[in-house]
Formats: sequence, C-alpha cells, structure tokens
Amino acid sequence: LAKTTQPISMDSYEGQEVNITCSHNNIATNDYITWYQQFPSQGPRFIIQGYKTKVTNEVASLFIPADRKSSTLSLPRVSLSDTAVYYCLVGKGTDKLIFGTGTRLQVFP
Amino acid sequence: DTAVSQTPKYLVTQMGNDKSIKCEQNLGHDTMYWYKQDSKKFLKIMFSYNNKELIINETVPNRFSPKSPDKAHLNLHINSLELGDSAVYFCASSRSETGLSGNTIYFGEGSWLTVV
Repeated sequence: LAKTTQPISMDSYEGQEVNITCSHNNIATNDYITWYQQFPSQGPRFIIQGYKTKVTNEVASLFIPADRKSSTLSLPRVSLSDTAVYYCLVGKGTDKLIFGTGTRLQVFP
Repeated sequence: DTAVSQTPKYLVTQMGNDKSIKCEQNLGHDTMYWYKQDSKKFLKIMFSYNNKELIINETVPNRFSPKSPDKAHLNLHINSLELGDSAVYFCASSRSETGLSGNTIYFGEGSWLTVV
C-alpha cells in the first residue's frame, strides 16, 4: 500500500499558483519525499525531491514542515501544459517504489 | 538520446499468445524495473533487477518472466496472454538499488499492450 495520501484531483486556471499537499504520517527518519509528474501516454517524470524545509528548482518548489508528516508541491503560474497527474512518494527500499493514486491536475485557459 | 527506451510502443495480440517487451537504458544505472499501469491508472511495480539480479518480485503471475542479459537491459516476456494483461507496461531505471534516498527513477515511454 502507498504510504501517502493526496487529493484525487484539482482544477486551476492558467497563471495561478497550484499547491498539492501530500500526507505521509508514517514517514521514517531516513525517508526522502519525491514528486513525479505523468502526462497522458507518457511515463512518470521526476520533478523534485526533498528531505526537510524547502527545495526549489526550475520547475517547482517543495515545502516540508518540521514534523515532515506532509509536504506541499507548489507549481508557480501553471499553464495548460502542466495538466498531468502528480505523484508523491516517500520511503526507502521497496516502499520508495509504490505509487499512490496521484493527484490529477487540470489546468483551464 | 532516449535514456530509457522500450519496444514495441504498441502491441495488439490474441489471447494465448506469447510476447516480449524489450527495455534498454543508456544511463549507466545499476537497477532496472518493470511497472504495470492498468486501466484505472494505478502504477504498480512488478519486478526490479540490480546488476542483473532479481531483487523485487511482486505478486505477479509466473506467466511473466523478466530477463536481464546485462545491467543495461531488462526484457519482459509474457506467456499465454490473458485479457487482463492489457495495460501499459513501463520500464524504468535508477542509479542504485531500489531507488534509495537521493536517487530518482527514470521511466521509459511505456508499451501499450492490448490482448484481444
């Protein structure tokens, strides 16, 4: 079973900031948090990974509170091309490889 | 260059047939995986190989047999195909075993298998 819980779907409009929160209450001390993006008819693609506090790259930011029981993927100023399914994974070993249901983000013009 | 490539991309076959899906990665990774994504879009791991050795074998019918001739290749052979095998099969790789913390998993584009 996936160790994470995410909203099933979210809607947004172009230009808005989108925040997708993932709950991982049983995260272990050595676990990293990794987010993947999957477009229709493609394989998942790595977006961002973090362990604590905040991580930012050219695509997104990842906010992790001190207790690490949740994390928030932030997509600034989304466009239509950001319409995809976003998966949050936590853990190490085989747990790391379990994808949950993901969050289906639909961006409207 | 495609990092993880798999062939064929589309495959339509009849029940009872045997088919193979090939996968190659040019990233120099030690670990390769096969995932299955069904019609409900759940992505489930099937197998994982590290340096040609099987390290993860989830509850998969033994009609599915992975083969890794070298660490850059992981092929999936399926015997006696059934209607329920219809799905998208993704090959993936990572730098070290089981995608340890700090590593990421790179996926191929998927192979769409339809059993009729």
